[in-house]
Amino acid sequence: DQQVKQNSPSLSVQEGRISILNCDYTNSMFDYFLWYKKYPAEGPTFLISISSIKDKNEDGRFTVFLNKSAKHLSLHIVPSQPGDSAVYFCAASQRHMRFGAGTRLTVKP
Amino acid sequence: NAGVMQNPRHLVRRRGQEARLRCSPMKGHSHVYWYRQLPEEGLKFMVYLQKENIIDESGMPKERFSAEFPKEGPSILRIQQVVRGDSAAYFCASSPGRGNTEAFFGQGTRLTVV
Repeated sequence: DQQVKQNSPSLSVQEGRISILNCDYTNSMFDYFLWYKKYPAEGPTFLISISSIKDKNEDGRFTVFLNKSAKHLSLHIVPSQPGDSAVYFCAASQRHMRFGAGTRLTVKP
Repeated sequence: NAGVMQNPRHLVRRRGQEARLRCSPMKGHSHVYWYRQLPEEGLKFMVYLQKENIIDESGMPKERFSAEFPKEGPSILRIQQVVRGDSAAYFCASSPGRGNTEAFFGQGTRLTVV
């Protein structure tokens, strides 16, 4: 059941630069999308979400973009900080969330 | 307002024993979701429950696994006759409603079957 895909297992960026994490989905019935951040041995922490009726949502350094026609969403983090280093999961929701496999972000000082 | 509470954090069981994982949702949340994370993999949906009702159990293995969310008390994920392949991190999340709303996760229970 690969309805949500994160094709990049890892991403490395320099501190201060932009991090762009990508996510694709296949089910057009998904109507709510979310990004979570996860540190080892902890539960996922909610970051930001977007409804399918919008194409952009911004919260501080985090912006999520949704392209419904392409069934694609992305998370932009700018400027990136070393504390942002973690695994990022995108999720798509209809009745419950379905997650991608995650992208490990490393922000180098 | 306490977050989602899961216990135990770590659970070791021998093959063939039963594992019981508990989840207390955030105050005011009546929707609970269970996910499993195998090593180096993403979060796999298992089951979605509302008080006293199973809404969607399409991700639950057909045998040995069951879940409940009684009117009073925590949600319980039960795994009977555990096998090595059940070793994983099990996460519970809760939300105030269904669908278009954020769900908040607990710290997870790491189950090790020896």
